[in-house]
Amino acid sequence: GAVVSQHPSWVICKSGTSVKIECRSLDFQATTMFWYRQFPKQSLMLMATSNEGSKATYEQGVEKDKFLINHASLTLSTLTVTSAHPEDSSFYICSARERPGAEAFFGQGTRLTVV
Amino acid sequence: RKEVEQDPGPFNVPEGATVAFNCTYSNSASQSFFWYRQDCRKEPKLLMSVYSSGNEDGRFTAQLNRASQYISLLIRDSKLSDSATYLCVVNMVQTGANNLFFGTGTRLTVIP
Repeated sequence: GAVVSQHPSWVICKSGTSVKIECRSLDFQATTMFWYRQFPKQSLMLMATSNEGSKATYEQGVEKDKFLINHASLTLSTLTVTSAHPEDSSFYICSARERPGAEAFFGQGTRLTVV
Repeated sequence: RKEVEQDPGPFNVPEGATVAFNCTYSNSASQSFFWYRQDCRKEPKLLMSVYSSGNEDGRFTAQLNRASQYISLLIRDSKLSDSATYLCVVNMVQTGANNLFFGTGTRLTVIP
């Protein structure tokens, strides 16, 4: 299957700092990328949908000023967690798909711990 | 009502057993359907797409029933390595957006 690379795979940061997570599609052009959060033993929660060149669409309850998403090219999307707090500690996963209706491929996920 | 609904399980089955999962979706205009598996603390990985005619990949068979709006996954001759969470995913067009909707997942444990 297609390859989506997410970086970093884990990060520990201090409360109040910002963390940037990158999601790259390595062998296809991703018109849409999705960002999810998953808490232990819970299901994936969609945070936002990002189409290349346009503003991300955030799910209800997700603060767009706290979780900044940029999808500047067809192969790269970034999620920045601003002013991180311990409650933001979670597993963040991106996925990308080439066209509407196609399957999505996931990055390896980023385990964020805010201390 | 959730867009995609799955029985969360857990399903605990012995090795060699056959197990089936169902998933229902709310939007009759849904376009495409997938099963993913997710291992603990890992990202979801595509298991198979689900086609209208049904499709099979080794021990795995997926079926789609558009009239009743459900998809199913059948696993034959279960292996220990099949233990995972199985996610039902539906692509829907809603309010002009073309989005993927995930079920909460069904947890499967295959017991020796």
